[in-house]
Amino acid sequence: LAKTTQPISMDSYEGQEVNITCSHNNIATNDYITWYQQFPSQGPRFIIQGYKTKVTNEVASLFIPADRKSSTLSLPRVSLSDTAVYYCLVGDKGFQAGTALIFGKGTTLSVSS
Amino acid sequence: DVKVTQSSRYLVKRTGEKVFLECVQDMDHENMFWYRQDPGLGLRLIYFSYDVKMKEKGDIPEGYSVSREKKERFSLILESASTNQTSMYLCASRLSTGEQYFGPGTRLTVT
Repeated sequence: LAKTTQPISMDSYEGQEVNITCSHNNIATNDYITWYQQFPSQGPRFIIQGYKTKVTNEVASLFIPADRKSSTLSLPRVSLSDTAVYYCLVGDKGFQAGTALIFGKGTTLSVSS
Repeated sequence: DVKVTQSSRYLVKRTGEKVFLECVQDMDHENMFWYRQDPGLGLRLIYFSYDVKMKEKGDIPEGYSVSREKKERFSLILESASTNQTSMYLCASRLSTGEQYFGPGTRLTVT
């Protein structure tokens, strides 16, 4: 499974756009890029997933360049409630017996007023 | 909505005790996972199961075992609890699309 690298922490203010970049230089052809969000004392929850170009949902956007060696999670106009840890994962979208998604240390986003 | 439940939110056990952490999911997912989370270390995979009675070691299986007798239930067992197993334990189940659903976690303290 491809290893990912992302910043340990980021700070922002309410109302700003936040971009968290993740590097995954050895991403495989079949791999998708997935982001999870975790609040304190809760389990992570799925935010967004993509394969290439841009994906947008009601929570975030995911930008993936043509070479797919990195990806950027974009959170528009963050609020205090967006303070959380964000994990970038890379893996096969399809089920394969004996495989598992590997979570790293994530990026701790702190939003201030 | 998918629901993943864990038997306890908080648990305190003594060193040497055998500890059972239970996880149940209600969406007929084949894949289930146990992670532990510690400050500064992120989520680390202990064991996972991709079918009933099937199990695979994750990154840190030492000191743990698992049981998957029914599809909806995945148990994590600490054969002889030690203080370095004090942690937050998170169970998850997975669709074939790769999205994982996590339970609320069990904060285990071993004294």
